[in-house]
Amino acid sequence: AQRVTQPEKLLSVFKGAPVELKCNYSYSGSPELFWYVQYSRQRLQLLLRHISRESIKGFTADLNKGETSFHLKKPFAQEEDSAMYYCALSGYQAGTALIFGKGTTLSVSS
Amino acid sequence: EAGVAQSPRYKIIEKRQSVAFWCNPISGHATLYWYQQILGQGPKLLIQFQNNGVVDDSQLPKDRFSAERLKGVDSTLKIQPAKLEDSAVYLCASSPEDRGATQETQYFGPGTRLLVL
Repeated sequence: AQRVTQPEKLLSVFKGAPVELKCNYSYSGSPELFWYVQYSRQRLQLLLRHISRESIKGFTADLNKGETSFHLKKPFAQEEDSAMYYCALSGYQAGTALIFGKGTTLSVSS
Repeated sequence: EAGVAQSPRYKIIEKRQSVAFWCNPISGHATLYWYQQILGQGPKLLIQFQNNGVVDDSQLPKDRFSAERLKGVDSTLKIQPAKLEDSAVYLCASSPEDRGATQETQYFGPGTRLLVL
């Protein structure tokens, strides 16, 4: 079955602390993995994708095929990182829909 | 560029009534998606269009939900009759025409929040 699991509903950290949002997936084949973010009163938007191997807003995510994980990390959290984060996967070929996890709310306090 | 537009933003109806949502994708985007997001869940695909043809509607409850994308641009999603469990946010997304072998970025609209009483 194709599935994305985000085990934490809420992650609360202090400003400057490291952040790791967990994501595990189940997929038969070669998926493409994404992190989408939704800030308060804004629309859902792409944060990063594994194929780009980029660091966006200080966030990185490494695809671990052995552990079927795609955890999102940031060494030093900022208050503006507070948002809902969704891990998602799709088939590797173009034009396939996304399968989302349930999301994790990240709350960064000073 | 203008983003994906959706209307209405909010809708409250009684069960067994009908409702329709409208989506205008980003200009030139060939693929359009409708997702349903129930409170506490991630978005779930209802239907996917490529231009004006349906690519995937396997998760669309066809006894009550219908969608169309006339002329390959705007799209409407209809529920008739609505049930209590249809209360959710309905998200429209679009992505450019596929030019490569990998997934294009999907751009989401603000969503329509539906409450069925």
